[in-house]
Amino acid sequence: EDKVVQSPLSLVVHEGDTVTLNCSYEVTNFRSLLWYKQEKKAPTFLFMLTSSGIEKKSGRLSSILDKKELFSILNITATQTGDSAIYLCASLNTGTASKLTFGTGTRLQVTL
Amino acid sequence: GAVVSQHPSWVICKSGTSVKIECRSLDFQATTMFWYRQFPKQSLMLMATSNEGSKATYEQGVEKDKFLINHASLTLSTLTVTSAHPEDSSFYICSARSGGGRQGISSYNEQFFGPGTRLTVL
Repeated sequence: EDKVVQSPLSLVVHEGDTVTLNCSYEVTNFRSLLWYKQEKKAPTFLFMLTSSGIEKKSGRLSSILDKKELFSILNITATQTGDSAIYLCASLNTGTASKLTFGTGTRLQVTL
Repeated sequence: GAVVSQHPSWVICKSGTSVKIECRSLDFQATTMFWYRQFPKQSLMLMATSNEGSKATYEQGVEKDKFLINHASLTLSTLTVTSAHPEDSSFYICSARSGGGRQGISSYNEQFFGPGTRLTVL
């Protein structure tokens, strides 16, 4: 059974701190790893990582995938209160189904 | 990005009744739609995958007779929770994926998520 695990489960930081969120996976027919941000409603897409060792960056957020060790990290620098959310990673498998298997999520709270 | 809507956004019903949730892709044709369930403080769990014009594929442990899925057109899928019970109370989210007419990232047909439907069964 495919498994995606995130750590920590929750995190409270002060505005301006840098955080690193972890995602490990055990997935058959792995294709890509995706990161999402979920506030009150549906997840919004952040990154998709397919190749190992290539950092993807968007503003203060960046992410990288290690396919040998089967994990990914999401970094957020200079955190702001608007970064408070649940961050989900999900594995995407190959094949026509292309299913997403979501991790447990990390609940991030950024305080003033 | 593509827009996916869900209706209703929240619903409260009595135990034993059935509830229908609609998922629509507003500006693209979705050959595949996915239904997820999310319990409080937990992650999204895939319930089923539906392809337009064919029967849905349910994940292990999801009762197909309880959660009826219909994907009758390329822009609409419905999830009906039959004989709902309090333990069915959850946040139900759909996602829609195009069949190739609308590409997302790196030739991957991205899943676009709806805003979710919060179901409370009394």
